[in-house]
Amino acid sequence: AQTVTQSQPEMSVQEAETVTLSCTYDTSESDYYLFWYKQPPSRQMILVIRQEAYKQQNATENRFSVNFQKAAKSFSLKISDSQLGDAAMYFCAYRSRGGGADGLTFGKGTHLIIQP
Amino acid sequence: NAGVTQTPKFQVLKTGQSMTLQCAQDMNHEYMSWYRQDPGMGLRLIHYSVGAGITDQGEVPNGYNVSRSTTEDFPLRLLSAAPSQTSVYFCASSRQFRSGANVLTFGAGSRLTVL
Repeated sequence: AQTVTQSQPEMSVQEAETVTLSCTYDTSESDYYLFWYKQPPSRQMILVIRQEAYKQQNATENRFSVNFQKAAKSFSLKISDSQLGDAAMYFCAYRSRGGGADGLTFGKGTHLIIQP
Repeated sequence: NAGVTQTPKFQVLKTGQSMTLQCAQDMNHEYMSWYRQDPGMGLRLIHYSVGAGITDQGEVPNGYNVSRSTTEDFPLRLLSAAPSQTSVYFCASSRQFRSGANVLTFGAGSRLTVL
């Protein structure tokens, strides 16, 4: 079974600064997908970014980018130019390439605070 | 498109009562699932379905029942509510379960409190 670990329960950053959220995972599979989800106070789960393990190039979505280190099983999220609207819980998640009926495996989340 | 719709958004139950959380999607998704979210625990899979008439257990299935009579609907039943079932529940669906590339679409969540 896969496990996902987020070692930072809470992070704080000044508005306009850059912050990196950490995620490590454990798997015996060679091909899979990794995700970062954002959960604002509204509770809605919002997909931030997705990385395909067979792609060496790190995924980017505007101010959000990842540092994917497959050998180290590390998948960190970098948020540049932090904005007040980025304040939320952030979850790292894993899914097998074959999909699988067991859906996503989530980490416990990191609470991101943006200081104005 | 409405996406994934969950009802109710909030519910308070007494211990021993039963209730059903409703989930409906209008995207013709094959795969549907229920997660619960507890503080400090992330999201954990309760039950899932890979198509109409097919359901199976996830990581934390005890105390819950599901059925999938149509592609669109996947209700979650609490047979005899317990305080340990106080949580936020999410329904999520994706087009096909056989490809991990298919992104899960989540409902807005249902907050359940059992007294």
